[in-house]
Parts: sequence; structure tokens; C-alpha cells
Amino acid sequence: EAGVAQSPRYKIIEKRQSVAFWCNPISGHATLYWYQQILGQGPKLLIQFQNNGVVDDSQLPKDRFSAERLKGVDSTLKIQPAKLEDSAVYLCASSFSNPGLAGGYNEQFFGPGTRLTVL
Amino acid sequence: QKEVEQNSGPLSVPEGAIASLNCTYSDRGSQSFFWYRQYSGKSPELIMFIYSNGDKEDGRFTAQLNKASQYVSLLIRDSQPSDSATYLCAVKDGNNRKLIWGLGTSLAVNP
Repeated sequence: EAGVAQSPRYKIIEKRQSVAFWCNPISGHATLYWYQQILGQGPKLLIQFQNNGVVDDSQLPKDRFSAERLKGVDSTLKIQPAKLEDSAVYLCASSFSNPGLAGGYNEQFFGPGTRLTVL
Repeated sequence: QKEVEQNSGPLSVPEGAIASLNCTYSDRGSQSFFWYRQYSGKSPELIMFIYSNGDKEDGRFTAQLNKASQYVSLLIRDSQPSDSATYLCAVKDGNNRKLIWGLGTSLAVNP
């Protein structure tokens, strides 16, 4: 079974530039997550999709970040314009089961991440 | 604000010892608890899931859950240098919609 794919793996941009990340989840996984992980911290959920609908985007800085999952499969995350504090690893994860199930065992499988450096 | 708290460490143990990692959470309605391991420069991977009060064992790993006290712990027996990593505690919120992540505890197992 192929894992979660992400590209690019690394990206270096200057502040105020734009950048986009792509994620292809594991086949059949309905739930897709984008996380931001700053060095030394745990993952911070930016947005969670269930199929092509947004479940949670409460921590997404909507003035500069956007994400879409138009066909309910792969997804893109965009930052426009980037700031220095956006330097982080952006992780995409997917899970199979419905996260709304009480006690649900919805293991999240992570992609390799995209390391973004904003200069 | 729902929170998950972990001691950031680093926790240093000698090879062969028991490593004990702790996690407390604020949402009393939480029902599912996860431990992820993250090697430096890599992505998190799930190592333990626990739902019921008590202990769950998987090889050298034991997860312990106490919902009344709102803590979950991970014990690693016979620690190996390959266990050196950051261990992330994640708790599904009481609405069962998303995981709340701790900052992680860094573990170093010394040969």
C-alpha cells in the first residue's frame, strides 16, 4: 500500500512570496489533515477535510493560508504571502475511519512533510 | 482551550532501563488517546492507541490510562538506543472530531 505522498520535500522562498504544497493521501482515506510543525513543537492542525468538506479550519490563518480538496482526493495548501514565522515543516496526514465515531481508532498516517524556509 | 501537556524533557535513561513518559489532558470528555513516535527529521508514526481505563501492552510498550485523573502514560521496557526519539501524546477531543497534540517529550537512551 502506497503511503501519503507530498511534494515538494523542501522549499526555500523569500518573505512575501507565495508557495503551494501538494498532498496525495492513501487510497480510500476520506479524511485528510494539514499540520504545521515548528521545530521543537508538536503538530498544529491547520485544516481537516472529510472527503471534500472542511471539518475544522479554526487554526488556519485565513488571511494568508488557503487549502482545497476539490475532488475529495488530493489536496493543496497555499501560503500567500509568506512570513518569516511560516518557516516550519508542513505535514499532510490521512485516515480511513470516520473521526466522528466515539472512541474511533482513526490512525493518522503521515507523509514525509515539506520543509519550508522563509528568508 | 483544550490542552494536552507533556514534559518536554529531554528524558535520559540508560539502555535496558524503563522509560516513563507522561501526558495530561484537560478535556474530560476525551475518549481516545494516542502515542506517536517521531524520529528527528521524520514524520510521526503511531505506536500505541488506548481507549479504556487501565493498561494496554504491545511488546516492550505499555500505555496506561486513568480517565478520572486525566492522564495517560507510556512505559518503554528494556529501552534501546533505537527508542531515542520524541514521543507525542495526542488526545481526541470530546466532540470526537480532531486530535489535540502535546508538544512531545524527547527521549534519549544511552548505550
